[in-house]
Amino acid sequence: DAEITQSPRHKITETGRQVTLACHQTWNHNNMFWYRQDLGHGLRLIHYSYGVQDTNKGEVSDGYSVSRSNTEDLPLTLESAASSQTSVYFCASSGGGAGTDTQYFGPGTRLTVL
Amino acid sequence: SQQGEEDPQALSIQEGENATMNCSYKTSINNLQWYRQNSGRGLVHLILIRSNEREKHSGRLRVTLDTSKKSSSLLITASRAADTASYFCAPWNSGNTPLVFGKGTRLSVIA
Repeated sequence: DAEITQSPRHKITETGRQVTLACHQTWNHNNMFWYRQDLGHGLRLIHYSYGVQDTNKGEVSDGYSVSRSNTEDLPLTLESAASSQTSVYFCASSGGGAGTDTQYFGPGTRLTVL
Repeated sequence: SQQGEEDPQALSIQEGENATMNCSYKTSINNLQWYRQNSGRGLVHLILIRSNEREKHSGRLRVTLDTSKKSSSLLITASRAADTASYFCAPWNSGNTPLVFGKGTRLSVIA
């Protein structure tokens, strides 16, 4: 069955370190998204991609970057981790148009920055 | 892209009762989706309603859309403890704008 996976599921890192969170989907979807979820803020969009070599900034992109070299993967990199980036990160993918199809979410990565 | 605003923020009901949650948005839309999130999990799609539809059903779920009031509601009938979750709406305009999610409604169903 097609799926979307995230790794690691839990990560503890130190302030200033570079961290990469992986997202892999086997739906063959063109669209992939990264969100963060914090208490009191709901889900906020970080970056998204509509195809290979395409990346776009979301609402809270500062301090994060993504690259899309193939259809299946959209890794999220925190250039220099900050305590404010402690959060739960969700990756999602969808086919078809940006908002016309179901988004499938991964299980999330809980990141703690000390 | 626009964010929907769910109301109430939290809702607590007894098992067997109906649960109604609402979503308001600001500008015209092409469709609106509802998602559920169980504690510690990713969101799961529930239903998509298009702007030319007024009501849609899926099992115990009923979604209505009133484009004149820019609002949607999600009704869960005969609720169960397993319905305990957060529920999010995502209104979508058009083009390449991505889905944006709000803060959701936290539903607690007490057995």
